[in-house]
Amino acid sequence: EAGVAQSPRYKIIEKRQSVAFWCNPISGHATLYWYQQILGQGPKLLIQFQNNGVVDDSQLPKDRFSAERLKGVDSTLKIQPAKLEDSAVYLCASSFSRDRGLGYTFGSGTRLTVV
Amino acid sequence: GDSVTQMEGPVTLSEEAFLTINCTYTATGYPSLFWYVQYPGEGLQLLLKATKADDKGSNKGFEATYRKETTSFHLEKGSVQVSDSAVYFCALIDPGGYNKLIFGAGTRLAVHP
Repeated sequence: EAGVAQSPRYKIIEKRQSVAFWCNPISGHATLYWYQQILGQGPKLLIQFQNNGVVDDSQLPKDRFSAERLKGVDSTLKIQPAKLEDSAVYLCASSFSRDRGLGYTFGSGTRLTVV
Repeated sequence: GDSVTQMEGPVTLSEEAFLTINCTYTATGYPSLFWYVQYPGEGLQLLLKATKADDKGSNKGFEATYRKETTSFHLEKGSVQVSDSAVYFCALIDPGGYNKLIFGAGTRLAVHP
């Protein structure tokens, strides 16, 4: 089974620029998550989708971050404008269902550096 | 809110040494507990899990037991290898939430020959 695909792997931008990340989950996984992992910290959930609907975006800085999953499959996370503190690895994950015993499958992440 | 606390790293061991990485949690209900591992340059991988009290998760020689009375899920391995060098994350899923996975800060393990 193919894993969770993310692109790009790396991105360097200047502050105040915009950037977008793409994620394609495992086929059939209804739930998709975006996490932010700042260096030296554990991943923090930004947004969770169930099919194409948002389930939890309480930790998403909505003044600059946005995400969509229009057809309930792949997803895009955007930052506009970027700040220095947005430098992090952005991880996408998916899960088959809301069964809390299954855990998630993570992609390799996109490492963003804002200079 | 729910949270996970891990011992601070880095943990530095010689090959074949015994490993323990402590993890405790705070949750309102009875969460499922996980250990994830992140090897250098790679994504997060599920290492093991336990879904109810007294369950023992195990994989690749690693073990962890869900202890409700001490709210702990410590990771152990009897004999570490250089290839075990990675960052280890303890995590939980809150049964009352939307299957939200909450992570600890991670513990870096370095194993030397």
